[in-house]
Amino acid sequence: GAVVSQHPSWVICKSGTSVKIECRSLDFQATTMFWYRQFPKQSLMLMATSNEGSKATYEQGVEKDKFLINHASLTLSTLTVTSAHPEDSSFYICSARDPTTPQSYEQYFGPGTRLTVT
Amino acid sequence: AQSVTQPDIHITVSEGASLELRCNYSYGATPYLFWYVQSPGQGLQLLLKYFSGDTLVQGIKGFEAEFKRSQSSFNLRKPSVHWSDAAEYFCAVGAGSGGYQKVTFGTGTKLQVIP
Repeated sequence: GAVVSQHPSWVICKSGTSVKIECRSLDFQATTMFWYRQFPKQSLMLMATSNEGSKATYEQGVEKDKFLINHASLTLSTLTVTSAHPEDSSFYICSARDPTTPQSYEQYFGPGTRLTVT
Repeated sequence: AQSVTQPDIHITVSEGASLELRCNYSYGATPYLFWYVQSPGQGLQLLLKYFSGDTLVQGIKGFEAEFKRSQSSFNLRKPSVHWSDAAEYFCAVGAGSGGYQKVTFGTGTKLQVIP
């Protein structure tokens, strides 16, 4: 089956610094990747849709200058949290869509990245 | 816009008992429906999906779900729960067209399994 990886799985950073999270599709080319944020004991909230070679589409209320998304290749998307603050601490999950599957709504999820800002 | 409701935040069942997790959706057209499971600190794993055809869908780990258009429901069932099934379960609906397809998740149901 399709596999999506994330790196790092866990990161601690100091307030004011930036941190980059990588999302990779390991065995398929993902033209579209998604970034979600999950608060403790809550559901996944879509932050943005990332299309290879174009600008990401951000959901309402998500600061595009704070959460920089780059989808430079068909297997890699990155999320950079700039000038991180403690309220940015969360579980960030990426997913990828395999365009070759007939029902392309199906998304393959990465294992998530736990970000803690101190 | 589509939406998903999971009315049960937390469910406790005894090991070996049957399970049903409820999911109701709102969408104007035929929806694409999913059930995912998430273990603590982990990503999501797809249990099953419905796109069209037979309304009773079989998934992994012995789970099944039934799409009922008249009730706008897609409830998840398992005849006999195992302790390893304890996790968070998310129902999701996919919608949109063309290059923009969005999946909306419900708030999740946390399953606790007692011996």
